[in-house]
Amino acid sequence: GQNIDQPTEMTATEGAIVQINCTYQTSGFNGLFWYQQHAGEAPTFLSYNVLDGLEEKGRFSSFLSRSKGYSYLLLKELQMKDSASYLCAATDSNYQLIWGAGTKLIIKP
Amino acid sequence: AAGVIQSPRHLIKEKRETATLKCYPIPRHDTVYWYQQGPGQDPQFLISFYEKMQSDKGSIPDRFSAQQFSDYHSELNMSSLELGDSALYFCASSLESGGTYEQYFGPGTRLTVT
Repeated sequence: GQNIDQPTEMTATEGAIVQINCTYQTSGFNGLFWYQQHAGEAPTFLSYNVLDGLEEKGRFSSFLSRSKGYSYLLLKELQMKDSASYLCAATDSNYQLIWGAGTKLIIKP
Repeated sequence: AAGVIQSPRHLIKEKRETATLKCYPIPRHDTVYWYQQGPGQDPQFLISFYEKMQSDKGSIPDRFSAQQFSDYHSELNMSSLELGDSALYFCASSLESGGTYEQYFGPGTRLTVT
């Protein structure tokens, strides 16, 4: 079957760095997305990885290892506004998004 | 930049009533997706359209139907509403013919069934 695993909740301190891991099993693979979602709001696109390696975009970076079925989202210099759920989603052979349940990130001062 | 527009933003209906949700994708985007998201849950894919044709179907109940019109806007029609249909309904659009599959989400419609 198709499955996405990511931690349910993580806590980090303002100004610190946090890494949110995601493992996936899909029928075929056409890339992995990370979305940020604040409570009651729409998911917003953060990153897309289809090749192995690290993609850096400001304070956020995303890494992919296709052979391991693994990705992580790295958030640096954490700010209080980064408190949100972070959704990992993989595209299968039909380019359909398979969503993880999301990781709720709590930032403490 | 223009974003995905959804209307209405909030909707309250009673059991067994019908509801219609509308979605206006980002201009020139060719694909529209509908998602249902319950509290604390990840988005559940319902249905998608590519160039006005249904392209994929997920966990959409038979009581729901959707279509995409010539101007690319899409409508999700929900009949015989049940209490369990209370959720956030997101529409997303993407430009699949451009080779990217980033989905841009609208603000969502919060449906409450009483």
